[in-house]
Amino acid sequence: DVKVTQSSRYLVKRTGEKVFLECVQDMDHENMFWYRQDPGLGLRLIYFSYDVKMKEKGDIPEGYSVSREKKERFSLILESASTNQTSMYLCASSLLSGRYNEQFFGPGTRLTVL
Amino acid sequence: SQQGEEDPQALSIQEGENATMNCSYKTSINNLQWYRQNSGRGLVHLILIRSNEREKHSGRLRVTLDTSKKSSSLLITASRAADTASYFCATGVYGNKLVFGAGTILRVKS
Repeated sequence: DVKVTQSSRYLVKRTGEKVFLECVQDMDHENMFWYRQDPGLGLRLIYFSYDVKMKEKGDIPEGYSVSREKKERFSLILESASTNQTSMYLCASSLLSGRYNEQFFGPGTRLTVL
Repeated sequence: SQQGEEDPQALSIQEGENATMNCSYKTSINNLQWYRQNSGRGLVHLILIRSNEREKHSGRLRVTLDTSKKSSSLLITASRAADTASYFCATGVYGNKLVFGAGTILRVKS
């Protein structure tokens, strides 16, 4: 079974702090994704990566950056956390090959910025 | 940008009844997927239907796709309390990205 793990289930940070959210997948997937989920808005794509050191902006990249130094690990960075970044963050991975690829999700990190 | 929109936003039914959720989208797609999310957890893939398919079944799930109307429906038959969750449609437009809708919250009462 594909396993996608996220470093924390719950995280509380203060405004202005630098925040790292880590995601690791164990199925050698090329694609990895970071989403944020807010009530009534569904999932919105922040960034995705299709290869090591490769990244592309999603729909809402402002205030975020990412790092992919190894194939299995994709990090989301909040350079200076703000209260409007309080949200549920979901990481996902999928295979690159083929046109119809399901995504496998981690359990999510609920981030609160005070 | 939100591609899929689910309808209804929330649905409450009795155990044993069928649950139907609808998804509408705006642009051409090459596939549509449905996912389930239990409270406070990650999403789990349920079923994928390609743009050249009209209907697909998986256990108690039945998905239809009408590309002329840009809509899909998910039917869960003989629902169980364990089906209580949020359900999301996601459209594959190009590459490997998906665009998710806002979801339908399903509550199955026992």
